[in-house]
Amino acid sequence: DGGITQSPKYLFRKEGQNVTLSCEQNLNHDAMYWYRQDPGQGLRLIYYSQIVNDFQKGDIAEGYSVSREKKESFPLTVTSAQKNPTAFYLCASSSPRQGAGTEAFFGQGTRLTVV
Amino acid sequence: RKEVEQDPGPFNVPEGATVAFNCTYSNSASQSFFWYRQDCRKEPKLLMSVYSSGNEDGRFTAQLNRASQYISLLIRDSKLSDSATYLCVVADNTDKLIFGTGTRLQVFP
Repeated sequence: DGGITQSPKYLFRKEGQNVTLSCEQNLNHDAMYWYRQDPGQGLRLIYYSQIVNDFQKGDIAEGYSVSREKKESFPLTVTSAQKNPTAFYLCASSSPRQGAGTEAFFGQGTRLTVV
Repeated sequence: RKEVEQDPGPFNVPEGATVAFNCTYSNSASQSFFWYRQDCRKEPKLLMSVYSSGNEDGRFTAQLNRASQYISLLIRDSKLSDSATYLCVVADNTDKLIFGTGTRLQVFP
């Protein structure tokens, strides 16, 4: 089945460690996104990529890094510079559809907890 | 001013009620508009796209007003299962997706 897969579902990190969240899609979508969601809050854009080997910062990119070496993969690294990384991380992908716009599909999310 | 703004709610309504959500966006070059539904601790899922002519899907009606830069979602005959957070999403002319913070709906018996 076509879809977008995030792993792991739950992740625990010690303070000072870098961790990488995986996001893979087999929908042949050009664009991929990473969002962060805190309890009771909306989605905030961390990074997005509209084409391989290119990506742009979103509203809260500090303390995060990404790469887009392959169309189907967009991993997010949460670095030790991110002061408050505990959150729900959502990856999405999209591709403009003629006459219908850019519907996005989401992975099931990764819950990151700093211990 | 936020790029996409929604009333966070919560909206508490009885079963059978009609409820309406509004969303405003700041970028007049925005191209595409959507409503997503997010259940607690789950990922958002597309509820419906919003077209200039307005569109309806069962009990749900979405409308777009480009001149005033707002979109709306109307839910008729609310069900308990409609309880969720409803996210307004706008894609700009580069297809970058911007999410509103969501409006929480709680339908009670």
